[in-house]
Amino acid sequence: NAGVMQNPRHLVRRRGQEARLRCSPMKGHSHVYWYRQLPEEGLKFMVYLQKENIIDESGMPKERFSAEFPKEGPSILRIQQVVRGDSAAYFCASSPLGTIEQFFGPGTRLTVL
Amino acid sequence: DQQVKQNSPSLSVQEGRISILNCDYTNSMFDYFLWYKKYPAEGPTFLISISSIKDKNEDGRFTVFLNKSAKHLSLHIVPSQPGDSAVYFCAASGIGGGSNYKLTFGKGTLLTVNP
Repeated sequence: NAGVMQNPRHLVRRRGQEARLRCSPMKGHSHVYWYRQLPEEGLKFMVYLQKENIIDESGMPKERFSAEFPKEGPSILRIQQVVRGDSAAYFCASSPLGTIEQFFGPGTRLTVL
Repeated sequence: DQQVKQNSPSLSVQEGRISILNCDYTNSMFDYFLWYKKYPAEGPTFLISISSIKDKNEDGRFTVFLNKSAKHLSLHIVPSQPGDSAVYFCAASGIGGGSNYKLTFGKGTLLTVNP
């Protein structure tokens, strides 16, 4: 009964490189949410996806950030041309249909040098 | 614009006593509230939730109280144990948005339970 899995756990990138974060939801969960936590802050909603659909991306920066949840495989959060301000912990959460409680993965800590 | 506020960054209590963590919200569209616990370098763990149609929900040592008119909720932990030491996040959701239950989080309260 694996929980939400995220990889990598730690990711170091230089400015201008691409960061790719992966999330495998819990078995049976069809809803995936991505959140970002900056230092000393709470988690901030970024995007909500169902299989092959982006439902709400109101929390995503307009440029450089994208997300997908393909029919097969994990959900991916992609950050192009990273900048130092992108350094944060990125958490993925999943839930089954019709459930409000979300179950979080361990997070990916992105450091941009 | 902080829609969910946890005004106490930290709280320290003695083992065996009650811990009370507070949370205020401003958005009247929120109708479901959750508490998460987070250890360093881990993801948040769901603790307990409450719907706006209730004013209290209890699960073992954890009780959440909701005062809708004051837009205030609190989490009570009795008795507190050293293993409860963690950051506690209050989160809110608006059920009215179809299946989109995105959560709005407070900044968290660091609870330290001293032996």
